[in-house]
Amino acid sequence: AQTVTQSQPEMSVQEAETVTLSCTYDTSESDYYLFWYKQPPSRQMILVIRQEAYKQQNATENRFSVNFQKAAKSFSLKISDSQLGDAAMYFCAYRPNFGNEKLTFGTGTRLTIIP
Amino acid sequence: GAVVSQHPSRVICKSGTSVKIECRSLDFQATTMFWYRQFPKKSLMLMATSNEGSKATYEQGVEKDKFLINHASLTLSTLTVTSAHPEDSSFYICSAGDRAFQPQHFGDGTRLSIL
Repeated sequence: AQTVTQSQPEMSVQEAETVTLSCTYDTSESDYYLFWYKQPPSRQMILVIRQEAYKQQNATENRFSVNFQKAAKSFSLKISDSQLGDAAMYFCAYRPNFGNEKLTFGTGTRLTIIP
Repeated sequence: GAVVSQHPSRVICKSGTSVKIECRSLDFQATTMFWYRQFPKKSLMLMATSNEGSKATYEQGVEKDKFLINHASLTLSTLTVTSAHPEDSSFYICSAGDRAFQPQHFGDGTRLSIL
């Protein structure tokens, strides 16, 4: 069974600084997707970034980028130039590229932005 | 982009009442929909996978008779919490996916409170 681990229950960063959220996963599959979702206090789930396992290049979306290390099964999220609106719960998620496509979530990291 | 609409956003009702929550995909056909439950400050827990035209697949420990799922069309899945009790109070959220639409898109969730 696939598992996703987020070892940082809480993180904080000064506004305008950079922060990295960690995520590791375990799978025997070679073809899969990884995601970072953001959940602000409104509890809406917002897709931040995704990575296809077959792509070696790390995904980037504006201030958000990932460090995908397939061999190490690591998928960290870097947020640059942190803004107050980045404060939220961040969930790492895994999905195999077959079958019923359900997501497996990590336990989440609560990110606080310090003004 | 794709939108998933979930209604109602908030329900408060008496113990013993049955509550129906709707999840609609607005601009794509959702062959598969997923229902999650989220306890405060916790991650999303998959309850069941809903496939159009067939019975839902429930995760271990989820009562099928308590949480009835119907996916009668490619754009609508419903979750009915039958004879709800205070312990069923939670945040329920759906997501919809299609093989051609890689990221799952989430509804805004339903906050259910049973008095």
